[in-house]
Amino acid sequence: QKEVEQNSGPLSVPEGAIASLNCTYSDRGSQSFFWYRQYSGKSPELIMFIYSNGDKEDGRFTAQLNKASQYVSLLIRDSQPSDSATYLCAVNRGHTGGFKTIFGAGTRLFVKA
Amino acid sequence: DADVTQTPRNRITKTGKRIMLECSQTKGHDRMYWYRQDPGLGLQLIYYSFDVKDINKGEISDGYSVSRQAQAKFSLSLESAIPNQTALYFCATSDSGLNYGYTFGSGTRLTVV
Repeated sequence: QKEVEQNSGPLSVPEGAIASLNCTYSDRGSQSFFWYRQYSGKSPELIMFIYSNGDKEDGRFTAQLNKASQYVSLLIRDSQPSDSATYLCAVNRGHTGGFKTIFGAGTRLFVKA
Repeated sequence: DADVTQTPRNRITKTGKRIMLECSQTKGHDRMYWYRQDPGLGLQLIYYSFDVKDINKGEISDGYSVSRQAQAKFSLSLESAIPNQTALYFCATSDSGLNYGYTFGSGTRLTVV
């Protein structure tokens, strides 16, 4: 079992719809959670982070964290074609001498105009 | 200027050659990382450094070495390149602490023939 799992997609949604991206993690000691957006051939860009249970909103993006169920999700409202990208989930968990960041393999999102 | 600069952007090299990838940052972060990305496998950690005197192996360090020349500079070397080291390489930096994400460089696309 991978430590951080994401559906590889592609997830296809029409323009203006809500895109829902999910991520599950295996280590209950995980403490902070990140979403990165990566356009094809480009570097990942941090778009959201969350460390408390519940929702965190930033513009059209909402991150949701449920530590009991060990999942974190990203909602994108009013999806635009420019949101088409791969979304990487990353999890920080305790590790010898500090902490460790584990990345999921990413979910490809395609927003149809 | 970019916060995290990688050189070169693209490189084709022959099997057995030694090659160095360079990374410099203006973020003022102590922590620097080298990742490789292969299609479908996500980001894999090669080496990381929490300060100038600290170097640590990541998940896939075999065949690679690093040098932290200064707080702002972290270079990755492939001692004797082999074709399965063909990948997209990213340098990243972060602040200390669990709740800080990464800033990535633009990446180096390396092809070993």
